Amino acid sequence: GAGVSQTPSNKVTEKGKYVELRCDPISGHTALYWYRQSLGQGPEFLIYFQGTGAADDSGLPNDRFFAVRPEGSVSTLKIQRTERGDSAVYLCASSVYGTSGVEQYFGPGTRLTVT
Amino acid sequence: KQEVTQIPAALSVPEGENLVLNCSFTDSAIYNLQWFRQDPGKGLTSLLLIQSSQREQTSGRLNASLDKSSGRSTLYIAASQPGDSATYLCAVKGSGGSNYKLTFGKGTLLTVNP
Repeated sequence: GAGVSQTPSNKVTEKGKYVELRCDPISGHTALYWYRQSLGQGPEFLIYFQGTGAADDSGLPNDRFFAVRPEGSVSTLKIQRTERGDSAVYLCASSVYGTSGVEQYFGPGTRLTVT
Repeated sequence: KQEVTQIPAALSVPEGENLVLNCSFTDSAIYNLQWFRQDPGKGLTSLLLIQSSQREQTSGRLNASLDKSSGRSTLYIAASQPGDSATYLCAVKGSGGSNYKLTFGKGTLLTVNP
């Protein structure tokens, strides 16, 4: 079956602009995660959805970042007033459910460049 | 706070060599540990997942071990090939309230030379 998909694959934007990054999880997966990977670093957790609700958004760096998952499937990560420091690869993952031993499946990521 | 360290940061070997990548974590209260592969400009491909009750997992030329009490894992790659060149990431999942969150190391960049 289809894996996790993310669009766009690349996004270049000017400092101060607003961007939206989209994630389509594997069909039937109730849990969805966003991670951010800066250059030379491992991915860092941003937010976790179980169904439609954000169960843990403690990894969002500040209030410019927001994510939604209105119907419990597709999720959108929204960044307002982008800064050069937001440049990174944004990875989305999904799993059958959110807890413990289940495996997370990752999408190819969106590379965001803020100029 | 869980911290994951991977050593070495980079490794270059000739084709055919066996090699070991190391991962250590500070909090032994993990639920599982996962090794991923990341190719340039690509997402993460899961290689092996070891539950906390397990000591090792094998897939083809890959073998991952876990010593939870000492906070260590190794990924052994046998008979390396140029196609194995990639960044290898280790990630742990906690067993407490945040048992959905993966904490990653920075990765080991592996180059296998033909």
